Amino acid sequence: AQSVAQPEDQVNVAEGNPLTVKCTYSVSGNPYLFWYVQYPNRGLQFLLKYITGDNLVKGSYGFEAEFNKSQTSFHLKKPSALVSDSALYFCAVRDPNQAGTALIFGKGTTLSVSS
Amino acid sequence: EAGVAQSPRYKIIEKRQSVAFWCNPISGHATLYWYQQILGQGPKLLIQFQNNGVVDDSQLPKDRFSAERLKGVDSTLKIQPAKLEDSAVYLCASSLGSQLRTEAFFGQGTRLTVV
Repeated sequence: AQSVAQPEDQVNVAEGNPLTVKCTYSVSGNPYLFWYVQYPNRGLQFLLKYITGDNLVKGSYGFEAEFNKSQTSFHLKKPSALVSDSALYFCAVRDPNQAGTALIFGKGTTLSVSS
Repeated sequence: EAGVAQSPRYKIIEKRQSVAFWCNPISGHATLYWYQQILGQGPKLLIQFQNNGVVDDSQLPKDRFSAERLKGVDSTLKIQPAKLEDSAVYLCASSLGSQLRTEAFFGQGTRLTVV
């Protein structure tokens, strides 16, 4: 069965420092990987996706993510965190062998950036 | 372009009552999803539509939940009768196509509290 693990409930970083939010996945086929961000009382906003090709993908608001097939990971990164990056981040996967195209989400990681 | 619209934003009902949620996807988006997001968890798919046909409803509790998308545009999700464990945020999402590579766009959600 497909699954996504976000091992950290919360990540705390100081403004200006680099940040990493971890994600590992388990699918039976080649994965399609996504990151979404959720601000309070807002819907999920798409950040970036990995489909194929370059293992480093760039997305919105300066975020990037690195796909590592051998480690089945897709960690979200940003070189310099902003206080406004504080939010709930979700990693999600689609498996080519699943029925439909629903996203399978991790439980989320709360990012807190302090000034 | 306008985003995914959902209403109401909040709803409080007593257990055993019925409730309905409405979703208007982004114009031209053929694929529509309903997700349930329980506090502290990632969203989980309830049902996926492609135009007005159901693609995946394997995780929809069909004894109490129903959904329709009669004209392939707007959709409604109904719960009857509601249980305490149905308290959650119900998210609607849409995407332009049904390809695995296509990101989904989410509405702000309806927060349901069952008392």
